[in-house]
Amino acid sequence: EVQLVESGGDLVQPGGSLRLSCAGSGFTFGGHSMNWVRQAPGKGLEWVSYIISTGVTTHYAESVKGRFTISRDNAKSSLYLQMNSLRGEDTAVYYCARGVGCGSASCHYFDLWGQGTPVTVSS
Amino acid sequence: QSVLTQPPSVSATPGQRVTISCSGSRSSIGINSVNWYRQFPGAAPKLLIYSDNQRPSGVSYRFSASKSGTSASLAISGLQSEDEDDYYCAAWDDSLNGYVFGGGTKLTVL
Repeated sequence: EVQLVESGGDLVQPGGSLRLSCAGSGFTFGGHSMNWVRQAPGKGLEWVSYIISTGVTTHYAESVKGRFTISRDNAKSSLYLQMNSLRGEDTAVYYCARGVGCGSASCHYFDLWGQGTPVTVSS
Repeated sequence: QSVLTQPPSVSATPGQRVTISCSGSRSSIGINSVNWYRQFPGAAPKLLIYSDNQRPSGVSYRFSASKSGTSASLAISGLQSEDEDDYYCAAWDDSLNGYVFGGGTKLTVL
């Protein structure tokens, strides 16, 4: 079955760190760009980060730049998001999403989503 | 405040046609393709339309989309109760160097 499964979400104190994982299966993981998208409680979708299939190129939303790091291990068909200096406004369900389309971020879209993993930042 | 602007809600009765607008800028919709996603509250989003007006396999012909200048729109014809979802437009923004979503539109089938 073609799927993405996120894990690692938890309750963490402000200023703390957390590492999310996303495991892909049923498709050639290394052939796709990948993204993290989050959704705060009762709010809309917010793109967080992008990584190209090879891992060479990454992009981040301004709201997380300098605090979050996206990475991947194609041998393990896994995507990661290292989140540092967490704030209350980072509280959200975090989805990983597979990118398809042309070779650059500007024309890709998300055709496969995981079920999400919840992150709560609170003392 | 989202970079792409959508109406917070739209409503219509079964069988009618409804449209959802999405307004952006030259650096987003103006030069990049628009994609649409739908989401049932509490569930993962799903791709609905890609590359401005393309339907993925499995998406009903009742869903169509178009783009003109810095705006895009999604149309749903022959409205059905199962179309009740939140709908999001999205595109890459060259000025922000990031992917941007609209604020989402809640569709209610009366």
